[in-house]
Order: sequence, then C-alpha cells, then structure tokens
Amino acid sequence: EVQLVESGGGLVQPGRSLRLSCVGSGFIFDDYAIHWVRQPPGKGLEWVSGISFNSGSKVYADSVKGRFTISRDNAKKSVFLQVNSLRPEDTALYFCVKRGSGNYRYFDNWGQGTLVTVSS
Amino acid sequence: QSALTQPASVSGSPGQSLTISCTATSSDVGDYNYVSWYQQHPGKAPKLIIYDVSNRPSGVSNRFSGSKSGNTASLTISGLQAEDDADYFCKSYTTSYTYVFGTGTKVTVL
Repeated sequence: EVQLVESGGGLVQPGRSLRLSCVGSGFIFDDYAIHWVRQPPGKGLEWVSGISFNSGSKVYADSVKGRFTISRDNAKKSVFLQVNSLRPEDTALYFCVKRGSGNYRYFDNWGQGTLVTVSS
Repeated sequence: QSALTQPASVSGSPGQSLTISCTATSSDVGDYNYVSWYQQHPGKAPKLIIYDVSNRPSGVSNRFSGSKSGNTASLTISGLQAEDDADYFCKSYTTSYTYVFGTGTKVTVL
C-alpha cells in the first residue's frame, strides 16, 4: 500500500521558517516525482511545488518562488519543503502527493497533510 | 497561474446526473489534455477520480466520466448517490511545467 506521511508543521510567527518532511513507502520512491499541494482552512487546493525523481527538475508556484525550496533524499525515501519568510497567507494544510508514472501528470496518492499556521 | 473556473456549487437528487465544468481562461494550459479531477470529502485528502480528461483509475466507479470541449473540461456524475456529496476540484498541467487547480465545486446530494 502506498503511503505518504508528512510532518514538520506547526504554529510559527510571520517571517520565520519551517521544514516540512514527507516520507514515502509502498512504492519505488526514486522512480516518482513528488509534489506539495496546500489547502487553507475551508478553501480550495493550491499546487505549491514539485521535484522530479532524480532532483533534476524543481518547479514552484509564483506565490512561493524565492521563499520555498524543495529537495529530496531518495536514500531516506523523503522529500522536504523548506518554507522561509512565512506569511499569514501561507497558513494551510500541506499535502505531499505522488505523481503518476512516466509522463502522466496526475496525482494518484496523497498524504493526510501537515498543518502550518502563521500567526503572531 | 490563474485558477481554473468551476461553479461554486451544484446539487442533484439521488439517481440524477450532474455535470461540473472547469474552464481555463488563459493559454497557459496548452491543449488542455492533462486535466484531472479530484474528489474530497470533509476532513479527508483528495482522491483522484479522472485523469487525462476522460480516463478513470482502477477502482473508481464508472458513474464518473470526464470530457472536454475547447477550453472547458467537464466531470459528469451519473446515478447520483449520497456518497458523492463532496467537494470536486479539477487540475491542469501548464505550459510552464507547473500545475493549476480549479476553484472547486461543492456537490450536494439532496
């Protein structure tokens, strides 16, 4: 069974940083791109960032470019999202998602999310 | 990266069919062939129900179907059931190698 487990969220003051982690299991981790999607409380989904299977490609939403950095450690079956210069509008549940194989562009497995709350 | 436009809410009675639209307002989505749909129940993670406009993953009910016309993709739910009461989001791959979600639609089964 495919599993993605996020951690690292919490309550943080504006301007501070957090490092979100996602550990995958039940699939060949180094074969798949992994993405982050966030959802503010009571609102819709927003794609945040993605990283290719070998870290050769990293992409970001305009809203987080320059503040967030994605990385992965295939030996640890983990993906990380370093979130800096946090703003109140970054408050959201952050989901780690697995992209489909090959050139498929869908997200076929989702974690349960880790909640980031930015408030003074 | 403008969000795709969906109706805020749609409703239907058990057994009926309903359709949710997902309209792209910019050319960022290219040919719009990489549209996927996700179902989300309250407090749960989203679930993939349609990919590449009209393909259903294994295990997803055949009551869900997808289509596309021009810059508008659609999700149709046939034979509406109580368990279909949920939020639905479309998503598209863009020409900038990024992704954009729709604004989301709340489906209410009356």
